[in-house]
Amino acid sequence: AQKVTQAQTEISVVEKEDVTLDCVYETRDTTYYLFWYKQPPSGELVFLIRRNSFDEQNEISGRYSWNFQKSTSSFNFTITASQVVDSAVYFCALIGPYNTDKLIFGTGTRLQVFP
Amino acid sequence: DTAVSQTPKYLVTQMGNDKSIKCEQNLGHDTMYWYKQDSKKFLKIMFSYNNKELIINETVPNRFSPKSPDKAHLNLHINSLELGDSAVYFCASSQDYYPRDSSYEQYFGPGTRLTVT
Repeated sequence: AQKVTQAQTEISVVEKEDVTLDCVYETRDTTYYLFWYKQPPSGELVFLIRRNSFDEQNEISGRYSWNFQKSTSSFNFTITASQVVDSAVYFCALIGPYNTDKLIFGTGTRLQVFP
Repeated sequence: DTAVSQTPKYLVTQMGNDKSIKCEQNLGHDTMYWYKQDSKKFLKIMFSYNNKELIINETVPNRFSPKSPDKAHLNLHINSLELGDSAVYFCASSQDYYPRDSSYEQYFGPGTRLTVT
């Protein structure tokens, strides 16, 4: 069975601090795909990134970076120099390769960035 | 310009009523989904449709019935509403059918907050 664990329920930081959100996953599939979504206080879900299981390159997009390590089944998300607008709930998600596979979400990490 | 839209945004109703939530996407996608987010923010898929055909039917009470009149719409009908149905319901769509397709991602609507009293 597939599972995504986000052990950090809530994180609070002060603006300009760096923060890392952890994501650990379990799957029996050899091919799978990982995602991060952001849910700001307004409630919508915003896609941030998709990563294929066969691509372990780390990715950087502005202040956001992702560290994918198959050896530890982790796909962690780091925000550098956090800003108040980063305050949101962040979800990590996993799906297998088939159209009948379901996008499995973690329980989310609530990030609060204080000015 | 809205990609995935849902109506209504808020829905307050009494137990036992029947209600519908509408979803439309203007992205030209073939696959659409319904998710439920409970009070603890846990997100779980309910259904997926591809070209009006049901693909995923998760363990959902049969009081919930999705209906896809065309591939741009996936509506959710809920009969005999119960207190436990209170949640935020998200519609989503994806261009690609298989997650292995290179540009696969799910675009989510703004959500419908259903409150059953």
